[in-house]
Amino acid sequence: NAGVTQTPKFQVLKTGQSMTLQCAQDMNHEYMSWYRQDPGMGLRLIHYSVGAGITDQGEVPNGYNVSRSTTEDFPLRLLSAAPSQTSVYFCASSTLGTSTDTQYFGPGTRLTVL
Amino acid sequence: GQSLEQPSEVTAVEGAIVQINCTYQTSGFYGLSWYQQHDGGAPTFLSYNALDGLEETGRFSSFLSRSDSYGYLLLQELQMKDSASYFCAVAGYSTLTFGKGTMLLVSP
Repeated sequence: NAGVTQTPKFQVLKTGQSMTLQCAQDMNHEYMSWYRQDPGMGLRLIHYSVGAGITDQGEVPNGYNVSRSTTEDFPLRLLSAAPSQTSVYFCASSTLGTSTDTQYFGPGTRLTVL
Repeated sequence: GQSLEQPSEVTAVEGAIVQINCTYQTSGFYGLSWYQQHDGGAPTFLSYNALDGLEETGRFSSFLSRSDSYGYLLLQELQMKDSASYFCAVAGYSTLTFGKGTMLLVSP
């Protein structure tokens, strides 16, 4: 099993550009989520999904969209990048449709917006 | 909403025992998780407490008191490789809220 994979590892964008961060898992996990991590801020939940076709907002959803058309994939779209979205983005998944289960994190995408 | 407090930094020497505390305020609490993150890496799961008491996993133990909205992570026989950031996280039913993390520095 590859676990949770994220692409790209690094990305530089200009203000106003859009892009999609990819996240995939091969563990047949129901629950998937996206976090951003900024220095001194810990991990903050952006969006999450408890199963295919179901998504919901987390703590900091503004400027981001998600969809969950398959169990395996949970892409995060930045609609119009802003410097405030410079961060490290982590995708995570877990077996159950809740947050109480062990979360398996991907390696992260380091995004810089100029 | 949820809020968590944990110390920003803790230092200790190899072989020692260190305790990282976490207090939380929350609406909707299912349990308290702990994650470890080495510099530049992904967070990895350490432990989860749903009920009051101590859970032990090797050199690591985690404690929860729901009535005090308090938990801690205890690391014994510290090793250099334990130098990392440690996050407590409150589990609601569908969301996990992380604290800002405690950086543990282990010196020889």
